[in-house]
Amino acid sequence: DADVTQTPRNRITKTGKRIMLECSQTKGHDRMYWYRQDPGLGLRLIYYSFDVKDINKGEISDGYSVSRQAQAKFSLSLESAIPNQTALYFCATSEAGGTYEQYFGPGTRLTVT
Amino acid sequence: GESVGLHLPTLSVQEGDNSIINCAYSNSASDYFIWYKQESGKGPQFIIDIRSNMDKRQGQRVTVLLNKTVKHLSLQIAATQPGDSAVYFCADKTSGGYQKVTFGTGTKLQVIP
Repeated sequence: DADVTQTPRNRITKTGKRIMLECSQTKGHDRMYWYRQDPGLGLRLIYYSFDVKDINKGEISDGYSVSRQAQAKFSLSLESAIPNQTALYFCATSEAGGTYEQYFGPGTRLTVT
Repeated sequence: GESVGLHLPTLSVQEGDNSIINCAYSNSASDYFIWYKQESGKGPQFIIDIRSNMDKRQGQRVTVLLNKTVKHLSLQIAATQPGDSAVYFCADKTSGGYQKVTFGTGTKLQVIP
């Protein structure tokens, strides 16, 4: 079974709709991240959380919000989706401490029409 | 501004040959570097990492070289196989504070059978 799972894997939605992307992990990691990937731009950090009570903005947090419901769950919401939020979204986890390796989920392809 | 980027967007290599993927970084405060592999339809997967106090690190069929003088690192893949076809990107971590990890845009490696 995958260590980091994301649901849904694909989603098409209309402008103005509220969307939630969910991430679950079985790795027991404290740290979780949400990224978006666009062609030619690489991975850009949206939000990150170092534990259940910790939420931090990344470099492109405008238009997004997150919720860390438990150590294993970290959800990303688009309050009012717009077309330029069409992208591939990845959730990742990492251990606390001296290792910075991140474990990524399979991604969610979101299309906003 | 600070950036991590790759010299070539696409690299085609004959099966069995060695591959070299290059990456430049601009942040002199970067103290840790990671290479990821992303296969089509999947999330990025850790390949190998190197700390800034090292010049070279070897893994299974992969070697990462770090040249801090010119802020350059490379990933060498020995005896490239069809399964190596993917997008490869580097990431760097800055020391201090949040210890932000910045991802490059990626190089697509195409292995010619």
